[in-house]
Amino acid sequence: KQEVTQIPAALSVPEGENLVLNCSFTDSAIYNLQWFRQDPGKGLTSLLLIQSSQREQTSGRLNASLDKSSGRSTLYIAASQPGDSATYLCAVEGYDYKLSFGAGTTVTVRA
Amino acid sequence: DAEITQSPRHKITETGRQVTLACHQTWNHNNMFWYRQDLGHGLRLIHYSYGVHDTNKGEVSDGYSVSRSNTEDLPLTLESAASSQTSVYFCASSQTGNDEQYFGPGTRLTVT
Repeated sequence: KQEVTQIPAALSVPEGENLVLNCSFTDSAIYNLQWFRQDPGKGLTSLLLIQSSQREQTSGRLNASLDKSSGRSTLYIAASQPGDSATYLCAVEGYDYKLSFGAGTTVTVRA
Repeated sequence: DAEITQSPRHKITETGRQVTLACHQTWNHNNMFWYRQDLGHGLRLIHYSYGVHDTNKGEVSDGYSVSRSNTEDLPLTLESAASSQTSVYFCASSQTGNDEQYFGPGTRLTVT
């Protein structure tokens, strides 16, 4: 059974600081890894998808890396803003198309 | 624009009642999924479907059922609602493997 862990559970930083969110998973037999953002009381918004053959993916201030062999991914958010405050979820997709989620990292960016 | 919708967005029901949550997607995706989200547990898979007339149990399927009579819809039924099923429910869809899953806005269900 795939286990996904996200560390830290919560993070508070001043505006402008770079954010580093970590995700680890136990089974390297994955199709891809997705990072989602969730605002309080809202649904999930997909941020980045990294296919298993890729090492990283970038979108604007966001960069996600994937080391499948060690079962790790890192999401970097550069020059954080108060609008980046949210919960960030990591999920891995197995060969059966099912997603296994981590519990999330709740980020607060202080103005 | 293609989308995935859920209804109702909020529901309060009593213990023992049957409840059905609707999920409708207009992408013509083959795969559809139901998750529940609870504090301390993250998102957990309830049921999923790879196509019409196909349904499969997920990690936490006890007390829930689904049916897939067409491509667009995957309703989730709670046969006899229990307080432990108070949660936020999310529906998602994807076309194939190695593809993004798109999530609906969620349904907040309270069982009293």
